[in-house]
Amino acid sequence: ETGVTQTPRHLVMGMTNKKSLKCEQHLGHNAMYWYKQSAKKPLELMFVYSLEERVENNSVPSRFSPECPNSSHLFLHLHTLQPEDSALYLCASSQEGDRGFSGYTFGSGTRLTVV
Amino acid sequence: GDSVTQMEGPVTLSEEAFLTINCTYTATGYPSLFWYVQYPGEGLQLLLKATKADDKGSNKGFEATYRKETTSFHLEKGSVQVSDSAVYFCALSSGWLGTGRRALTFGSGTRLQVQP
Repeated sequence: ETGVTQTPRHLVMGMTNKKSLKCEQHLGHNAMYWYKQSAKKPLELMFVYSLEERVENNSVPSRFSPECPNSSHLFLHLHTLQPEDSALYLCASSQEGDRGFSGYTFGSGTRLTVV
Repeated sequence: GDSVTQMEGPVTLSEEAFLTINCTYTATGYPSLFWYVQYPGEGLQLLLKATKADDKGSNKGFEATYRKETTSFHLEKGSVQVSDSAVYFCALSSGWLGTGRRALTFGSGTRLQVQP
């Protein structure tokens, strides 16, 4: 596989459930990101991992918990979510080094519905 | 802080019409500029980019020129197709996150609908 792969593509969960979103990148990039895309809102950066070090957006509620076990994998653990957390969750990766910055490569996203 | 402003959509065009989607930005320093496209049910794909003033990015018939004097990066295509129907996002990269990682700031997106 190439690029950035996200699973599952769709997820429906109750407010008391615990679930995880998975992202895997096959590009050899050294940074990974979680974005939230809600209807009629700009893309919201949630978390960044650079060389497995986390840079966190302070406005993200604690019911979202990221994990980056290695440079190719990124997880977003979800627990006790609210209906307003329903959105498309996008994973992205990037490489920054001697060749400069070429932007992000995005996965296809996980469409999350909280009921 | 950095920001990107895009024209509100939807933009509705007939096939083979000329397309312009406006994008202006506010940033400190010298940002790189990007256009991303999102097809229904998919994530964002990089369409084109420009890294310095007067650079022209191009891909798949789309073009955008980095205009520092007007702080703009308008997206154009001479003849749109039905398959171009998607949401288009303008973005800039200039700010730095705490770990020295570049941040992308996105506009709110412009939906393009092309009718046969």
